[in-house]
Amino acid sequence: QVQLQESGPGLVKPSETLSLTCTVSGGSISIYYWSWIRQPAGKGLEWIGRISTSGGTNFNPSLKSRVTMSVDTSKNRFSLKLNSVTAADTAVYYCARDPGGYTSTYSDYWGQGTLVTVSS
Amino acid sequence: QSVLTQPPSASGTPGQRVIISCSGSSSNIGSNTVNWYQQLPGTAPKLLIYRSNQRPSGVPDRFSGSKSGTSASLAISGLQSEDEADFYCAAWDDSLNGVVFGGGTKLTVL
Repeated sequence: QVQLQESGPGLVKPSETLSLTCTVSGGSISIYYWSWIRQPAGKGLEWIGRISTSGGTNFNPSLKSRVTMSVDTSKNRFSLKLNSVTAADTAVYYCARDPGGYTSTYSDYWGQGTLVTVSS
Repeated sequence: QSVLTQPPSASGTPGQRVIISCSGSSSNIGSNTVNWYQQLPGTAPKLLIYRSNQRPSGVPDRFSGSKSGTSASLAISGLQSEDEADFYCAAWDDSLNGVVFGGGTKLTVL
């Protein structure tokens, strides 16, 4: 059974960089796309972006200038960095596995989510 | 403002059939498959329907998906109290080169 687990600081100061890691167990990270999705409290889901194990990325245009993603196949994990954060970036952040094709993509396994609060 | 449009709420009584709609455009639903996610309170979203009408293993056949043109629908038959959740549609958008979500529909079982 594939499992994903997000980890990282739960509190980030404004203007600093949010850094999260998603560790995958029960399956190899060497195939598929791997995504990040976030959800502000009481609001809907927002796709942040995805990375393939070849390093190819796609990002939400509204976040693209601030987002970096990387993958470490040796440790079976992938990471998200979001810089210059503001209070609007406060949300539960989920990582997910996307086994579909480039456009027929879907997220079949999700992490439990981690709350990141941006506050001084 | 979400790229895909869903009704904010839906409701039904136990045993009823409920349909949740998702409206998009030619760059997303019109040219790509649609996925549906169910999010129970306080939990991560769960894949309910993928590639417009496919059910992952373990999802009851009470849940079904369809797509026509630039719209998609999720049908839930034999409504049960445990179906009470938020439901989201999602699709790839060729113009944005990324995934877009609907705003979500809160389903209440009366």
